[in-house]
Amino acid sequence: NAGVTQTPKFQVLKTGQSMTLQCAQDMNHEYMSWYRQDPGMGLRLIHYSVGAGITDQGEVPNGYNVSRSTTEDFPLRLLSAAPSQTSVYFCASRDLGGLQETQYFGPGTRLLVL
Amino acid sequence: AQKVTQAQTEISVVEKEDVTLDCVYETRDTTYYLFWYKQPPSGELVFLIRRNSFDEQNEISGRYSWNFQKSTSSFNFTITASQVVDSAVYFCALSEAKGYSTLTFGKGTMLLVSP
Repeated sequence: NAGVTQTPKFQVLKTGQSMTLQCAQDMNHEYMSWYRQDPGMGLRLIHYSVGAGITDQGEVPNGYNVSRSTTEDFPLRLLSAAPSQTSVYFCASRDLGGLQETQYFGPGTRLLVL
Repeated sequence: AQKVTQAQTEISVVEKEDVTLDCVYETRDTTYYLFWYKQPPSGELVFLIRRNSFDEQNEISGRYSWNFQKSTSSFNFTITASQVVDSAVYFCALSEAKGYSTLTFGKGTMLLVSP
């Protein structure tokens, strides 16, 4: 049971390049989400998904795309990277139920956009 | 809209001191959950505790204790006899008690424990 995994751990991009941050979980959690962490800003929600084929925007969705074709995977796409997207990205997952279950986070991906 | 405020940006203490991290929240919901996460220098986010809004009992886990007061919308975290390994950024977070609800984080408090 690996929990939530993220790849890559670190990435450097040039402005305008595209890339996909991978996230996978093996806990059969319906709910998955992406956050970005910036100094002094805490964690802010980018996108989330409540099941395969269902996604929604969070607080800071601009510049990012997501899709959810399987329960296990929830990739985050940057179509045209900008320096403002330099950040640490965390993926998280949890069970869906009548009440809020605890979210478990991946180890993070550190992204630098030059 | 939900909001979590951690007014202390950074706290420095000497080992063995007690330290309290403050968390104040805002929500219109009558049922919600509160969380604390720890982020050590290695960067991962470690879940510490989840609290239901309808359970105001304080909780103690070893050197950690949490004081939940609905009347003041606060969920404070105390570390007793702090240790160097407690040095980390601590985040307080809030969520509605609904299946599809999202998690709102405070900006975090950096705790530095020196020997």
